[in-house]
Amino acid sequence: GAVVSQHPSWVICKSGTSVKIECRSLDFQATTMFWYRQFPKQSLMLMATSNEGSKATYEQGVEKDKFLINHASLTLSTLTVTSAHPEDSSFYICSASPGLADGEQFFGPGTRLTVL
Amino acid sequence: QKEVEQNSGPLSVPEGAIASLNCTYSDRGSQSFFWYRQYSGKSPELIMFIYSNGDKEDGRFTAQLNKASQYVSLLIRDSQPSDSATYLCAVNPTGNQFYFGTGTSLTVIP
Repeated sequence: GAVVSQHPSWVICKSGTSVKIECRSLDFQATTMFWYRQFPKQSLMLMATSNEGSKATYEQGVEKDKFLINHASLTLSTLTVTSAHPEDSSFYICSASPGLADGEQFFGPGTRLTVL
Repeated sequence: QKEVEQNSGPLSVPEGAIASLNCTYSDRGSQSFFWYRQYSGKSPELIMFIYSNGDKEDGRFTAQLNKASQYVSLLIRDSQPSDSATYLCAVNPTGNQFYFGTGTSLTVIP
């Protein structure tokens, strides 16, 4: 149980285009989903927290107009990187929380984005 | 001040030895503590979590929590080359907030 999927797993795009990444909780309802970014040899950096049906809460320094997050249902959240640039190339990982008391999160497999 | 601190390593241990990974946190009100393992190019996978003072054992892994010292550790007994990875400590102060450490790189030498 507690499986989280991401799609696509790998994407290459041209500078200036937009890329949408999907995160799905397959066997549980996720009250909260998180989006992280990880650059090579660095730790996870939380970008934003989203609750179903409400606006995402972005961490300081993360541009909400550039990284659009939609949490349309209890099993689906999307991250759209708008007008992507090479510096946005990174490993994007989502996680989902079923709202357990201990706060456990279940991670998706990640999406590697390369912007040319 | 960082919320969660870990020694980045790299930590090298011979196969069969005990690997000891340490983590300190700043929020005294933190409730839950997690250890994740991350292989290169992959997303983190949960090893175990702990929320009570003392030790919690799961197979070759033992998590130790000392809330008074704001310290949590992970011991890996009988280390195997497949344990070579980056180990992330995560702390859950309240609700759904998670703070991750920068991770400790572990290499188990055959």
